[in-house]
Amino acid sequence: QKEVEQNSGPLSVPEGAIASLNCTYSDRGSQSFFWYRQYSGKSPELIMSIYSNGDKEDGRFTAQLNKASQYVSLLIRDSQPSDSATYLCAVRLNNAGNMLTFGGGTRLMVKP
Amino acid sequence: GAVVSQHPSRVICKSGTSVKIECRSLDFQATTMFWYRQFPKQSLMLMATSNEGSKATYEQGVEKDKFLINHASLTLSTLTVTSAHPEDSSFYICSAHPGEGGGDEQFFGPGTRLTVL
Repeated sequence: QKEVEQNSGPLSVPEGAIASLNCTYSDRGSQSFFWYRQYSGKSPELIMSIYSNGDKEDGRFTAQLNKASQYVSLLIRDSQPSDSATYLCAVRLNNAGNMLTFGGGTRLMVKP
Repeated sequence: GAVVSQHPSRVICKSGTSVKIECRSLDFQATTMFWYRQFPKQSLMLMATSNEGSKATYEQGVEKDKFLINHASLTLSTLTVTSAHPEDSSFYICSAHPGEGGGDEQFFGPGTRLTVL
């Protein structure tokens, strides 16, 4: 079992819809969780960080964390074609120092 | 804030030559920097962890004598690909961690695309 798992997609949603991206992790002691967006040919860009159970909202983005079920999700409301990218889930595993463990990413396609 | 730069952004070199890539944190001190490699349509692969003032920690399967890492200051880490070969052609990305009190986030540089002919 991989330490951080994501469905590779592609996830296709129509413009204006809600895109839901999911991530599960294996280390129950993990404390810090991040979502990065990576456009094709570019480096990852931090979108959200979340540390506590529940929801965290920032503009059109909402991160959700459920430590009991060991999953973290990212919701994108009012999806735009410009949101089309690969979304990477990253987790700081317990006893990993400053290192983040990345999932393989989910490719999101928002169709006009 | 939290800007990380990389230089060069793109490099083409002949097989057998060495290439140095610089990673700088511009507005914060980074006690730890990370070097990743990404092949087309594949996920990020961590190559090594670079700590200021100490030797880098390499991931399994990454040759430390081929990929030389130096973290001479709190704002600069360099990756030198020695005797590069076509199979080393890839997208090399660094990230920087602000250290204690700076949060858990890692901030990525824009990446360096290496092509070895």
